[in-house]
Amino acid sequence: GENVEQHPSTLSVQEGDSAVIKCTYSDSASNYFPWYKQELGKRPQLIIDIRSNVGEKKDQRIAVTLNKTAKHFSLHITETQPEDSAVYFCAAFHSGSARQLTFGSGTQLTVLP
Amino acid sequence: DVKVTQSSRYLVKRTGEKVFLECVQDMDHENMFWYRQDPGLGLRLIYFSYDVKMKEKGDIPEGYSVSREKKERFSLILESASTNQTSMYLCASSASPGYYNEQFFGPGTRLTVL
Repeated sequence: GENVEQHPSTLSVQEGDSAVIKCTYSDSASNYFPWYKQELGKRPQLIIDIRSNVGEKKDQRIAVTLNKTAKHFSLHITETQPEDSAVYFCAAFHSGSARQLTFGSGTQLTVLP
Repeated sequence: DVKVTQSSRYLVKRTGEKVFLECVQDMDHENMFWYRQDPGLGLRLIYFSYDVKMKEKGDIPEGYSVSREKKERFSLILESASTNQTSMYLCASSASPGYYNEQFFGPGTRLTVL
């Protein structure tokens, strides 16, 4: 089945700096890659996603890049703010018989004021 | 407003007890999922369902079963709870076809098995 590895597990940045979280996946058939944000004590929520026919997608201060050849995708957050502090999960969907999302292990991002 | 609710936020059970966790969604979604969340392991899929009375195993189904008798309700059952099932359990739902659609999560149930 699919395997998604996510790095780093923890990340601290100064407010205003950029943050990058990286994920790799194993199944070349995976074609949809969402990112979820989970604030402390709250439920995960989708913040951005990308499909395999697109190399990059932006939404205000967040962007996701995808390298299908390397089976690698990343989340970029610019001009970080304290409210960006949360756990971020990447995920990969593989369209084989399983038809399920496989999540990475999560990154705890802390934005220091 | 999208809404996924779970029957309990916190639950404490004893080893060997049968445990029911219930999830209800009011979005008329076809797809429902049960995940387990543990520190450093992310979200791991236990079971999912694409239709009423249908169920499929996820990555870690051992020790769990599910029931979906109505479209809006998906139950997770621990037949005989064990201490290694102490965890946060998250339910989610999504519209069909499911794979390109956002999953909406419930608030979670923190289960402690003593």
